[in-house]
Amino acid sequence: SQKIEQNSEALNIQEGKTATLTCNYTNYSPAYLQWYRQDPGRGPVFLLLIRENEKEKRKERLKVTFDTTLKQSLFHITASQPADSATYLCALDRMNSGYSTLTFGKGTMLLVSP
Amino acid sequence: EAQVTQNPRYLITVTGKKLTVTCSQNMNHEYMSWYRQDPGLGLRQIYYSMNVEVTDKGDVPEGYKVSRKEKRNFPLILESPSPNQTSLYFCASSPQMNTEAFFGQGTRLTVV
Repeated sequence: SQKIEQNSEALNIQEGKTATLTCNYTNYSPAYLQWYRQDPGRGPVFLLLIRENEKEKRKERLKVTFDTTLKQSLFHITASQPADSATYLCALDRMNSGYSTLTFGKGTMLLVSP
Repeated sequence: EAQVTQNPRYLITVTGKKLTVTCSQNMNHEYMSWYRQDPGLGLRQIYYSMNVEVTDKGDVPEGYKVSRKEKRNFPLILESPSPNQTSLYFCASSPQMNTEAFFGQGTRLTVV
């Protein structure tokens, strides 16, 4: 069956360090992968989209990699700040009844301490 | 301001009493969808719509209905709510299916 796996344990890091979050998937062949940030009780907010033919994408302190051979995406936040504390979700496109829909992983909580 | 607006934000209702959660977007997006989010289960898609009058089931459609009569609106209907539909609901819209999704603020529904 199709699965998207994100580390269910919270990631605790110190301010200034690089946070690395992992998204693994099985039995998917996504054309693209997205990362979102979600704060408690609020809707997810889009961060980055990377396509299958792209190895890496950057936006300010954020970097995403996409390895279709390993079936894995890594999400990095450099020079992390307490304000980066949130849950981060990866999402893949998959075909459903002939249409592409977005399926989300369960997310990994990131806690950045001062 | 570009946004997706859901109403109500909070709702407590009783089993069996029909309710509608509204969703409206002002970005002229073609694609809209509904998700529910439960602890330990993450975001799961209920229904989605590719355009006006075109809708399809997501992963957990049982007990829900939707309609898309206008491009901007995509209401979620619970004809006979049950306690297992207690959840946090999100509406989302996208310009197309494979682009970034914009989410509403969420509706926290409790069915007693």
